[in-house]
Amino acid sequence: GDSVTQMEGPVTLSEEAFLTINCTYTATGYPSLFWYVQYPGEGLQLLLKATKADDKGSNKGFEATYRKETTSFHLEKGSVQVSDSAVYFCALSSNSGYSTLTFGKGTMLLVSP
Amino acid sequence: GAVVSQHPSWVICKSGTSVKIECRSLDFQATTMFWYRQFPKQSLMLMATSNEGSKATYEQGVEKDKFLINHASLTLSTLTVTSAHPEDSSFYICSARALRTGGVNEQFFGPGTRLTVL
Repeated sequence: GDSVTQMEGPVTLSEEAFLTINCTYTATGYPSLFWYVQYPGEGLQLLLKATKADDKGSNKGFEATYRKETTSFHLEKGSVQVSDSAVYFCALSSNSGYSTLTFGKGTMLLVSP
Repeated sequence: GAVVSQHPSWVICKSGTSVKIECRSLDFQATTMFWYRQFPKQSLMLMATSNEGSKATYEQGVEKDKFLINHASLTLSTLTVTSAHPEDSSFYICSARALRTGGVNEQFFGPGTRLTVL
């Protein structure tokens, strides 16, 4: 079945450092890929998404490129801020109308001033 | 647009009581709603999928008689934790999806409900 693997955290960075959170997936067909962010005590918010190979999703300075050849969707940001501290989830869904989301285990990011 | 609300945001109850959590799609019609459970520092575990007007589909290992799900309208789904026990304490998150022809399977998440059973 479908699965998502994320790098384990926590990832600890200083403000303005470069961020990469790795995500790889296993799926049949051509899934859509997502990154969600969860701030402490809150639900999930969609950060960005990509629906086909080579698409780049971007939002709030974060980017991720759908790489079918490496089955990856790594999250990057050039300069992190303290306010980016949160848990980040990579997820996929097949593009059929009734499929569900498959989540990775989440990666906690801690950014210090 | 695409806002999902949950009520209550947190609840504390005594062991043996039942608790109802509401999930509402505020500005769209949700043909499908999902209920997740999240343990501390862990990922979301899908509990069940509900389609408006039909019975919920529960994931393996989830007791349907303990976690009652009702999706009576296109904007409201409820999760009732019956005879709650301390091990049911968790963060419950719902999501909603509008079926769009040819569109991306995107779910919109509620803010979550923190349940503590004493």
